[in-house]
Amino acid sequence: QKEVEQNSGPLSVPEGAIASLNCTYSDRGSQSFFWYRQYSGKSPELIMSIYSNGDKEDGRFTAQLNKASQYVSLLIRDSQPSDSATYLCAVKWGAGSYQLTFGKGTKLSVIP
Amino acid sequence: GAVVSQHPSRVICKSGTSVKIECRSLDFQATTMFWYRQFPKQSLMLMATSNEGSKATYEQGVEKDKFLINHASLTLSTLTVTSAHPEDSSFYICSALHGGAPQTQYFGPGTRLLVL
Repeated sequence: QKEVEQNSGPLSVPEGAIASLNCTYSDRGSQSFFWYRQYSGKSPELIMSIYSNGDKEDGRFTAQLNKASQYVSLLIRDSQPSDSATYLCAVKWGAGSYQLTFGKGTKLSVIP
Repeated sequence: GAVVSQHPSRVICKSGTSVKIECRSLDFQATTMFWYRQFPKQSLMLMATSNEGSKATYEQGVEKDKFLINHASLTLSTLTVTSAHPEDSSFYICSALHGGAPQTQYFGPGTRLLVL
């Protein structure tokens, strides 16, 4: 069974620090990886996508992918209280499927 | 771009009634949409994949006769919860698949259903 694992947290970081969110997945054939942010009571919002090994940066966010280790991470620099949310890692398994499998999410709390 | 809307945002109904939820892609065409359900403090659970012009594909354990899905156009998919019961109370969220590299799901704002 294809699985996506995340530490549920909560992860607490002080304002201005770097928050590091991690995700592992079970299938080496996985193609695309997504990070979504979900505020309490709201629907998920896309933060970043990545499908090549290495780093991808977008503003304060950096996604890192290591397919050999089956590991994807999200770094949030200069964390702000408004970043406090649950971060969902999602994996698209193969070329023939558009479905995503979600991890259970990591709850991030940025302390002012 | 890539905006998805859902209507209604919140609905309260009596047990035994049917409720229809609409999902629209506002600025792009989506041949594929997805319907999820999320219970409190749990992750998203995929219910079904909705394909324009064809029958939806349901995940294991999801009753297709209870959760009717219609994807009649490239911008609209509907989910009808038939004969709703209190255990169907949940947060229902749709997403639409946007083309590109990689193809990406964009989520609607969700519909909170409460069945009394």
